Amino acid sequence: RKEVEQDPGPFNVPEGATVAFNCTYSNSASQSFFWYRQDCRKEPKLLMSVYSSGNEDGRFTAQLNRASQYISLLIRDSKLSDSATYLCAVNRYNFNKFYFGSGTKLNVKP
Amino acid sequence: SQTIHQWPATLVQPVGSPLSLECTVEGTSNPNLYWYRQAAGRGLQLLFYSVGIGQISSEVPQNLSASRPQDRQFILSSKKLLLSDSGFYLCAWSPLTGGRTTYGVYGYTFGSGTRLTVV
Repeated sequence: RKEVEQDPGPFNVPEGATVAFNCTYSNSASQSFFWYRQDCRKEPKLLMSVYSSGNEDGRFTAQLNRASQYISLLIRDSKLSDSATYLCAVNRYNFNKFYFGSGTKLNVKP
Repeated sequence: SQTIHQWPATLVQPVGSPLSLECTVEGTSNPNLYWYRQAAGRGLQLLFYSVGIGQISSEVPQNLSASRPQDRQFILSSKKLLLSDSGFYLCAWSPLTGGRTTYGVYGYTFGSGTRLTVV
């Protein structure tokens, strides 16, 4: 079983829509969680951390469900510029070593 | 501020040729350093990580090796490339944290990557 799994998508949504992605992790000892954004042929860039209580950064909301072992990313009022692949990353306090999902592709259409 | 440099950006190499990719970090000391590979349409696979000079841990057995000759320098090498070595190679760094309470708080910062095509 993969350490981290994501629906590859693509999610095709119109501008202004709300879209949510989930990411499941297999190891209950996982401690830290992040969402990254990766544009085509570019390196991943840190989007936001995911805290136990959930956290929000503008139009983006991240949540953690430890009981069901998944994290989620909600994007409100989607913009064309949100089109990218979103990767989740999970860490187990082992030399700050992260395992990444394969990413979920988002296409925001005009 | 901290920056991470990775080169070259693009590389086309014949099967059986050697490989050397270099990554350097500026503006920090004693970072954790990582090499990842992303095959076309696939996720990020951790290849090697290092917590200090000369300290290399390999995640998966393969045709590659890594070295850390200096604190802020991380090198990925191969003696003979295979077709399956093609991919997008990413170097990353994160602060080395000593306390359990801060472990894993920091995400990675990635270099801009090297797109390797083995022909």
